[in-house]
Amino acid sequence: GAGVSQSPRYKVAKRGQDVALRCDPISGHVSLFWYQQALGQGPEFLTYFQNEAQLDKSGLPSDRFFAERPEGSVSTLKIQRTQQEDSAVYLCASSLGVSRELFFGEGSRLTVL
Amino acid sequence: AQSVTQLGSHVSVSEGALVLLRCNYSSSVPPYLFWYVQYPNQGLQLLLKYTSAATLVKGINGFEAEFKKSETSFHLTKPSAHMSDAAEYFCAVSGSGNTGKLIFGQGTTLQVKP
Repeated sequence: GAGVSQSPRYKVAKRGQDVALRCDPISGHVSLFWYQQALGQGPEFLTYFQNEAQLDKSGLPSDRFFAERPEGSVSTLKIQRTQQEDSAVYLCASSLGVSRELFFGEGSRLTVL
Repeated sequence: AQSVTQLGSHVSVSEGALVLLRCNYSSSVPPYLFWYVQYPNQGLQLLLKYTSAATLVKGINGFEAEFKKSETSFHLTKPSAHMSDAAEYFCAVSGSGNTGKLIFGQGTTLQVKP
């Protein structure tokens, strides 16, 4: 597709369930980022990949959060044993390189009950 | 360490009036500064960016911003508001090394009244 695609767009999970959020970046984009946006807040950086290498995961809030990009294209953000405070929109963004413009997907809205 | 403060979580203007959204930053390194717009249920779209070239930056949809180092500000302006400008606006800062790792402000909701 022409833009960054994220799925699912909406996910409702019961507390304690595991969830997986998928990001399809723009074809050829080397850099991929995940951000978390809580209601009424600005996005907060979670993690960054350059190709398949996860170069920065300093923003992941706990060890329940895990991200991968095994083939340097599609990325998955996994949240284990979800908690209510994990409720947020998870945004994926990609770019041609570290100094290039970011293109954001529409986000995956996670609601944990 | 870097941070961004957006003054005013809500701004309301009349159609045709000047838009001014305020952003102040803190950065220990020369900053790259950005303004993004977010429409409901959509991702963020880049409006404009400052990367140490000209201090007055022009962006899309008639928006512009001026980098003022002495005031550590990067306010966003548009001479005449349009109804379609109603959205959430985010100011962001990054270190010069990686312009994808952004620190965002809390956002400002712009309301445009007819």
